[in-house]
Amino acid sequence: GAVVSQHPSWVICKSGTSVKIECRSLDFQATTMFWYRQFPKQSLMLMATSNEGSKATYEQGVEKDKFLINHASLTLSTLTVTSAHPEDSSFYICSARSRGGGVSGNTIYFGEGSWLTVV
Amino acid sequence: RKEVEQDPGPFNVPEGATVAFNCTYSNSASQSFFWYRQDCRKEPKLLMSVYSSGNEDGRFTAQLNRASQYISLLIRDSKLSDSATYLCVVTLNTGGFKTIFGAGTRLFVKA
Repeated sequence: GAVVSQHPSWVICKSGTSVKIECRSLDFQATTMFWYRQFPKQSLMLMATSNEGSKATYEQGVEKDKFLINHASLTLSTLTVTSAHPEDSSFYICSARSRGGGVSGNTIYFGEGSWLTVV
Repeated sequence: RKEVEQDPGPFNVPEGATVAFNCTYSNSASQSFFWYRQDCRKEPKLLMSVYSSGNEDGRFTAQLNRASQYISLLIRDSKLSDSATYLCVVTLNTGGFKTIFGAGTRLFVKA
């Protein structure tokens, strides 16, 4: 079963509104969570890295005021797309790094992804 | 040069064929290595970790060559269900944990 849950799976919103996507690690504590965006037929693009209790680190070219990330606990990170526009329509995926040591501590588990369509 | 490079393909192979994917990484400080599989319109799923000693899981064999900074994935006896994009993933921890994805290699297995 899924170890990282992402919600909602699908969302359609009007241009100018904000949308929040949640990412939860279900049976492990995630010190670090990642947010990606993937356009059709393209590879995953890392948007930001979020560490529990601290500000997210955004990749170059990603607007931090537009894509608000909050990692309030070891099991929950949220991505809010503010003032969404049609060009923000994409597949947004979160992933979480398990907290364990050794190799298993570096394994990344993905959420199921959220399809955002802005109309 | 990209930090993780893969041949984008697509690889078109018949059922039963053996196919190999290659991946190179540029940072010698890379710590962990993985192959993920991504189906169309789905999230990536961990296929297998890659170790220097090599590891095998059924029809899948992964190899790591640290000296050459090279990772491979071999799929034997290809099935139609193996059709997907295979992502090479590298992690490193240099002043912060970082995960780097290759662009993926697309595989189509045909009857």
